Amino acid sequence: DAGVIQSPRHEVTEMGQEVTLRCKPISGHNSLFWYRQTMMRGLELLIYFNNNVPIDDSGMPEDRFSAKMPNASFSTLKIQPSEPRDSAVYFCASSSPFWGQGVETQYFGPGTRLLVL
Amino acid sequence: TQLLEQSPQFLSIQEGENLTVYCNSSSVFSSLQWYRQEPGEGPVLLVTVVTGGEVKKLKRLTFQFGDARKDSSLHITAAQPGDTGLYLCAGETSGTYKYIFGTGTRLKVLA
Repeated sequence: DAGVIQSPRHEVTEMGQEVTLRCKPISGHNSLFWYRQTMMRGLELLIYFNNNVPIDDSGMPEDRFSAKMPNASFSTLKIQPSEPRDSAVYFCASSSPFWGQGVETQYFGPGTRLLVL
Repeated sequence: TQLLEQSPQFLSIQEGENLTVYCNSSSVFSSLQWYRQEPGEGPVLLVTVVTGGEVKKLKRLTFQFGDARKDSSLHITAAQPGDTGLYLCAGETSGTYKYIFGTGTRLKVLA
């Protein structure tokens, strides 16, 4: 089975540009998480969805960040406009069958390395 | 704000040595997980502990959840170069349905 798929794997852009990160969760998983990892702040949860509905977006840093999950097999994280401090590795993770019904395992994608110049 | 502090932050040891990594918080967690992350990859779950005082073993790795469910430790016996990586603990507070990750311990095992 394919794991969590993220694209692109690497992104270099200039300050002010729009950036869109994409994630395809594992088939059958109905919870999806977006994380950001930096040396200074470690791994931070940005937002998570259950059954395509955003449950908690309290980790989204500011209005420049937005996330959508139009269907069970696709999610996007958008940054508009991007800033140099957004440079980080962004991970998507999925879990099943229902987050909160006991302990679940999150499966992480390989991440997208974003560099904003 | 919940905070999970891990120590040590960095650790470089020789193959065959033993080591312990600690994960501490002032918050009580309903469950705690340990992950290992290798360069260029996402974290991979090693273990989940849910009961205070619980001990789980995974080959040469021993995980313990504190009695008060505020802390945890990971002990590696006879470390091997393949154990090299970033070790992360993550705690879940009951009712939040999300895990807060620790600051991480970067381990390097030299052959």
